[in-house]
Amino acid sequence: DGGITQSPKYLFRKEGQNVTLSCEQNLNHDAMYWYRQDPGQGLRLIYYSQIVNDFQKGDIAEGYSVSREKKESFPLTVTSAQKNPTAFYLCASSSQPTSGRAKENEQFFGPGTRLTVL
Amino acid sequence: GQQVMQIPQYQHVQEGEDFTTYCNSSTTLSNIQWYKQRPGGHPVFLIQLVKSGEVKKQKRLTFQFGEAKKNSSLHITATQTTDVGTYFCAGHRGGADGLTFGKGTHLIIQP
Repeated sequence: DGGITQSPKYLFRKEGQNVTLSCEQNLNHDAMYWYRQDPGQGLRLIYYSQIVNDFQKGDIAEGYSVSREKKESFPLTVTSAQKNPTAFYLCASSSQPTSGRAKENEQFFGPGTRLTVL
Repeated sequence: GQQVMQIPQYQHVQEGEDFTTYCNSSTTLSNIQWYKQRPGGHPVFLIQLVKSGEVKKQKRLTFQFGEAKKNSSLHITATQTTDVGTYFCAGHRGGADGLTFGKGTHLIIQP
């Protein structure tokens, strides 16, 4: 089955520890994204990557880091510098959009990882 | 930066009543997308609107994109219990940039 996977579904860490969230897709999509979802806040963009070995900061990148060494993988590290890391983290991917082709921009989301920092 | 405002935050309706959520962007959008997130789930793409003044329908759902490409609405006719969830609009600035999501409207349906 084609899709986007995130693991684990639930993750617990102690304060001060770095933690890496996994995101893998086999849709052959060029673009991948990380969002954070907090209650009442909607989804906020952390980082995104349009091609391998390239990525850009989103709206709330502070305290996070990413890598894009392979097309199908876009791991997110939540560092100890992130002040409020407890949240629901969603990874998404999309094909490289082409103007006028409505389906090109659709983002496919993974099931998410719920991170709790104790 | 770009902001996308969505109202209302919560909407309680009786089953069979209509429902509408509204979305406004601080800047002109390349296109706007709508997603639905069921409780405990992840957002799932519903539709994308690209053209100024565009109206699209999916069964009981009607989506509109404003003439200035800065606002949009989703209207559900005769809600059903399966419509429960949070509906997000998401503005796209163009290219492969990430989307700017509204905070969502939580639809609660009372049978």
